[in-house]
Amino acid sequence: GQQVMQIPQYQHVQEGEDFTTYCNSSTTLSNIQWYKQRPGGHPVFLIQLVKSGEVKKQKRLTFQFGEAKKNSSLHITATQTTDVGTYFCAGRQNYGQNFVFGPGTRLSVLP
Amino acid sequence: ETGVTQSPTHLIKTRGQQVTLRCSSQSGHNTVSWYQQALGQGPQFIFQYYREEENGRGNFPPRFSGLQFPNYSSELNVNALELDDSALYLCASSLALADTQYFGPGTRLTVL
Repeated sequence: GQQVMQIPQYQHVQEGEDFTTYCNSSTTLSNIQWYKQRPGGHPVFLIQLVKSGEVKKQKRLTFQFGEAKKNSSLHITATQTTDVGTYFCAGRQNYGQNFVFGPGTRLSVLP
Repeated sequence: ETGVTQSPTHLIKTRGQQVTLRCSSQSGHNTVSWYQQALGQGPQFIFQYYREEENGRGNFPPRFSGLQFPNYSSELNVNALELDDSALYLCASSLALADTQYFGPGTRLTVL
């Protein structure tokens, strides 16, 4: 079945440093979503990417969907302590199917 | 806040018991998905309901069952609880099958 992997598993950065997490799927995806989960909280939707090579920005966050629609990345510029949490990607193989979540990347930001 | 609510917040059960978890979707959302999230892992898809019909199921045994009501609220039932069922159970509602999912706060289930 479809598998979604993320690297790294953990990332510790100093406040102000950049951060990137990578998401890879074993199959081509129709679309991919990114979520953030704060410690003790629930996943919160960040963005959805649909088109091959698509790049979207939200303030300091940049999301990219690979040309082959099998991988994606989330880049945070100049991290802040409010960025702490676990970032999940979730990919769907076909429209109407369920999303498969990756294991997440846990980000720690040291002040 | 997403407008998705879940009850109860926490629950402690013993092995072999049965449990029912509830989810009220965001107003107007006709699709509810249930996920199991073990500690330190990503959410695992259990099943999805669309307009009161099951629309997809993950790799979970039949003792995990669900229901969606006419008002689109939903229940997750788990029979014959096992220790490995201890997890955070999340429901997520969306306007349609392809739309953004809005997660509720979850129910933390502990099986002793």
